Amino acid sequence: QVQLQESGPGQVKPSQTLSLTCSVSGGSISSGSYYWNWIRQPAGKGLEWIGRIYSTGRTDYNPSLRSRVAILLDTSKSQFSLELSSVTAGDTAIYYCARGGSPYYVMNVWGQGTTVTVSS
Amino acid sequence: QSALTQPASVSGSPGQSITLSCTGTSSDVGILNVVSWFQQYPGKAPKLMIYDGSKRPSGVSDRFSGSKSGNTASLTISGLQAEDEADYYCCSYAGSTTWVFGGGTELTVL
Repeated sequence: QVQLQESGPGQVKPSQTLSLTCSVSGGSISSGSYYWNWIRQPAGKGLEWIGRIYSTGRTDYNPSLRSRVAILLDTSKSQFSLELSSVTAGDTAIYYCARGGSPYYVMNVWGQGTTVTVSS
Repeated sequence: QSALTQPASVSGSPGQSITLSCTGTSSDVGILNVVSWFQQYPGKAPKLMIYDGSKRPSGVSDRFSGSKSGNTASLTISGLQAEDEADYYCCSYAGSTTWVFGGGTELTVL
């Protein structure tokens, strides 16, 4: 059974780049049946889709974040990563990675989430 | 893209049926039938409950059902149980190969 686990710094300074990694186990990150997402949730607020990457390397991003976001895939490590530049306090949130695709298309396997605080 | 609109809170008594709404536009909810619904308990990751508007993933109770009319999708929970108390989020394809979530509804079982 596939499992996803987020990792990365719990605190980032304003104007710096937030970098997180999602490790995938129990399944192939290279399969063309899936795509790999980042979603975030500020404390007490709703979910926001950040973007996704396919095994081909193709990416799609939330238009509101597109200028600051990059999602990368490392198949050799069975990981994908998120880079969010020029962060502000508004980027403080729980960050989730999730798998989408077969058999339900939408995101159907989620990591447990990791909290990132933007503060000096 | 703007977040889909969900009521902030809904409540119901055990055994009742309740319906949660999710309103979008002709550019997201109104397109095809790709609305999904997620259940989220405090401190936990979301769980997929409905996909493609009305389909249930394996293992999800048939007390949960989804539908759509125009630009509004709905999640109905029948035979409400205490364990259904959670936050519920709708999600839709938003065109341009992106997804958009609703603001979430907090369901309270009285």
